[in-house]
Amino acid sequence: NAGVTQTPKFRVLKTGQSMTLLCAQDMNHEYMYWYRQDPGMGLRLIHYSVGEGTTAKGEVPDGYNVSRLKKQNFLLGLESAAPSQTSVYFCASNKGQRQETQYFGPGTRLLVL
Amino acid sequence: KQEVTQIPAALSVPEGENLVLNCSFTDSAIYNLQWFRQDPGKGLTSLLLIQSSQREQTSGRLNASLDKSSGRSTLYIAASQPGDSATYLCAADYTSGTYKYIFGTGTRLKVLA
Repeated sequence: NAGVTQTPKFRVLKTGQSMTLLCAQDMNHEYMYWYRQDPGMGLRLIHYSVGEGTTAKGEVPDGYNVSRLKKQNFLLGLESAAPSQTSVYFCASNKGQRQETQYFGPGTRLLVL
Repeated sequence: KQEVTQIPAALSVPEGENLVLNCSFTDSAIYNLQWFRQDPGKGLTSLLLIQSSQREQTSGRLNASLDKSSGRSTLYIAASQPGDSATYLCAADYTSGTYKYIFGTGTRLKVLA
């Protein structure tokens, strides 16, 4: 079991460039989440998905898009990167029952110049 | 606004000391509360999950309590070790939400040998 994996681990972008972050889980989890973590701000939810083909906005969705075409994958896209999107991005998943814990990936460090 | 607060932001203790980390939440209508550990440059690992109907949960040297009436949770670490050095985050799942956790900003713990 690999758990939750994220690709890439680190990326540098120039302002205006686009990229996609990939999250994959092999635990057959229904729910998947994208968070960003900034110093002094804690983790903030960007988008989440409660099942294949579904997505919903979280606390800070502006500037990001997501897709969940396959149950095991959750993609986070930045169409036109901005310096304010410099952050560490974490993906998480869980079965979907509220008694269940969330499992986190190792994170993607993104620097936008 | 539903918030989660963790004070202090950082804490240093000598090895062997028992310690308590604090977590406050603004709304008593929570479904569950979870404590996580985050090592530098890594993702989050779930330590304990307390459901709203429970008062506490224990795992090894860790004990987490939940008092909804006062809006507080504590994580007790017994006989601290240098390996316990990490950032500890709490997160609340509010019943009014759609299974989305609100995270605190964490307490950075350093256990001195």
